[in-house]
Amino acid sequence: GDSVTQMEGPVTLSEEAFLTINCTYTATGYPSLFWYVQYPGEGLQLLLKATKADDKGSNKGFEATYRKETTSFHLEKGSVQVSDSAVYFCAPAGSGGSYIPTFGRGTSLIVHP
Amino acid sequence: NAGVTQTPKFQVLKTGQSMTLQCAQDMNHNSMYWYRQDPGMGLRLIYYSASEGTTDKGEVPNGYNVSRLNKREFSLRLESAAPSQTSVYFCASSDRTGINSPLHFGNGTRLTVT
Repeated sequence: GDSVTQMEGPVTLSEEAFLTINCTYTATGYPSLFWYVQYPGEGLQLLLKATKADDKGSNKGFEATYRKETTSFHLEKGSVQVSDSAVYFCAPAGSGGSYIPTFGRGTSLIVHP
Repeated sequence: NAGVTQTPKFQVLKTGQSMTLQCAQDMNHNSMYWYRQDPGMGLRLIYYSASEGTTDKGEVPNGYNVSRLNKREFSLRLESAAPSQTSVYFCASSDRTGINSPLHFGNGTRLTVT
């Protein structure tokens, strides 16, 4: 079946540092790719998505590019803020005819002032 | 706009007790889902309902039952709770079954089984 590998956390950064959270996946065909974010005490919410190869999803200063050749969808942000502290989930969907996303284990990000 | 509403927010059960987790969405979404979240395990799909009147098993359905009461509501029932069901449960919905439809999540129910 499909699988998602995210870098283990927690990732600890100082404010204004550059962020990369790696995500690679195995899938049948070419799924749509999503990043979700979970703030403390809340449910997940969509951060960004990309639906085909070379697409770049972006939102709130975060970006991720759909890399078909490396089956990756790494999340980046040029300058993190304390308010970005959360858990981030990579989730491909649509592989093998199923529209239901497969979630990675999540990467916790802690940003210090 | 409430989105996806889950009740209760917290619950403590004794082993063997039963309970139903409620979920309702006001976005007129066709599909609804139940996940559990455990430390280090990410989210695992318990059951889902692609449309009103249909339900299907996900990755970890054992010990659970679901009911799609109508288009808005999707409940999850634990008939005989076990400590292994201690978890945070999330309900989600999506607009349609297309692969580009993102999920919208509730804020979760934290369940402890002693």
